[in-house]
Amino acid sequence: AQKVTQAQTEISVVEKEDVTLDCVYETRDTTYYLFWYKQPPSGELVFLIRRNSFDEQNEISGRYSWNFQKSTSSFNFTITASQVVDSAVYFCALSEAEGSQGNLIFGKGTKLSVKP
Amino acid sequence: KAGVTQTPRYLIKTRGQQVTLSCSPISGHRSVSWYQQTPGQGLQFLFEYFSETQRNKGNFPGRFSGRQFSNSRSEMNVSTLELGDSALYLCASSMGGWRGYETQYFGPGTRLLVL
Repeated sequence: AQKVTQAQTEISVVEKEDVTLDCVYETRDTTYYLFWYKQPPSGELVFLIRRNSFDEQNEISGRYSWNFQKSTSSFNFTITASQVVDSAVYFCALSEAEGSQGNLIFGKGTKLSVKP
Repeated sequence: KAGVTQTPRYLIKTRGQQVTLSCSPISGHRSVSWYQQTPGQGLQFLFEYFSETQRNKGNFPGRFSGRQFSNSRSEMNVSTLELGDSALYLCASSMGGWRGYETQYFGPGTRLLVL
């Protein structure tokens, strides 16, 4: 069965610290897609990144970076030099080409608090 | 491009009533998905519509239904409301092609409180 686990429920850091959010997934499909979304207090889920199962290259976008490792079924997200505006709930999600017919399967989310 | 819009943003209903929520997708997007978010269960998939047809459905009772119009706008309806239906209902849109591949873009949600 497909599943996404975000073991860290809440993380609190001080501004400028680096922080890594963990995501572990389970799927039987060989073709699948992984996503990260950010949910600020306003409620809207903001898309951050999509990765397909064939592309294990790490991705860097400004202060954000993602480490995808199929061998450990992980897709971790690192924020470098965190800022107060990064405070939000972050969700990792899985979409399978066949198994779940395209709907997103979300982890429970990690609430990140960045204190000044 | 304008993003996904949802109306109303907030709603208070009483048990036994019914409610209709509306979602307008990003222009050009033909697929609309609905999700329920609660503190206990997290984000759960309700259903997905493409070209006015329901293509996929999550594990929710029949009280939850939806539809999509020819302009891709979608509505979801919950009948005979229960206290446990209190949640943030999120709508997402995507182009609607090969499922799984596409990025879903979310609206701000409708926060429903059932008293």
